[in-house]
Amino acid sequence: AQSVTQLDSQVPVFEEAPVELRCNYSSSVSVYLFWYVQYPNQGLQLLLKYLSGSTLVKGINGFEAEFNKSQTSFHLRKPSVHISDTAEYFCAVTLHSGGYQKVTFGIGTKLQVIP
Amino acid sequence: GAGVSQSPSNKVTEKGKDVELRCDPISGHTALYWYRQSLGQGLEFLIYFQGNSAPDKSGLPSDRFSAERTGGSVSTLTIQRTQQEDSAVYLCASSFPGLALDTQYFGPGTRLTVL
Repeated sequence: AQSVTQLDSQVPVFEEAPVELRCNYSSSVSVYLFWYVQYPNQGLQLLLKYLSGSTLVKGINGFEAEFNKSQTSFHLRKPSVHISDTAEYFCAVTLHSGGYQKVTFGIGTKLQVIP
Repeated sequence: GAGVSQSPSNKVTEKGKDVELRCDPISGHTALYWYRQSLGQGLEFLIYFQGNSAPDKSGLPSDRFSAERTGGSVSTLTIQRTQQEDSAVYLCASSFPGLALDTQYFGPGTRLTVL
């Protein structure tokens, strides 16, 4: 079975500063990796996903993530955050095998952008 | 509508009562998922539908929980004899065709409070 660890439950950062939200996964087989964002009082929406190919994935709103197989990590980064980035971010994995998409989510990291 | 919708947005009920939560997926999406989001617990998978069938019900926490889907569209999650530990946000997501690499589209959720 796969698992996802988001080490930081909350990350405060000043506006226009860079940010990294950490995600590590555990799986004995190949996985697909996702980052979802949940803005206050809204559902989750996809930021980006890694399926194959280039390990650096670019997503919406200036976010990017790098897949590191040796470290089993998929950290999310943004070089300069805005107030509007304040939200909760979820890392998630699915297995390549098994046909359908059974997603395992991390517990989430709350990003608080400080003016 | 263009997105996944859920109703009601908020539900307050008394312990022991039954509740029904509704999900309208994106038109044409054959895969539908229910998750539970509890404070500090992340997103917990409950059940997966492909069409009207539920190949994976492994996440339903007890036999008080059931779900159905009709016409390959609307789904209802029913919780019987609600308990205080059932208080959470219940999220629905849909995708097409439901493969491991697909993006899931989430509704805004139903916040259930059991008094």
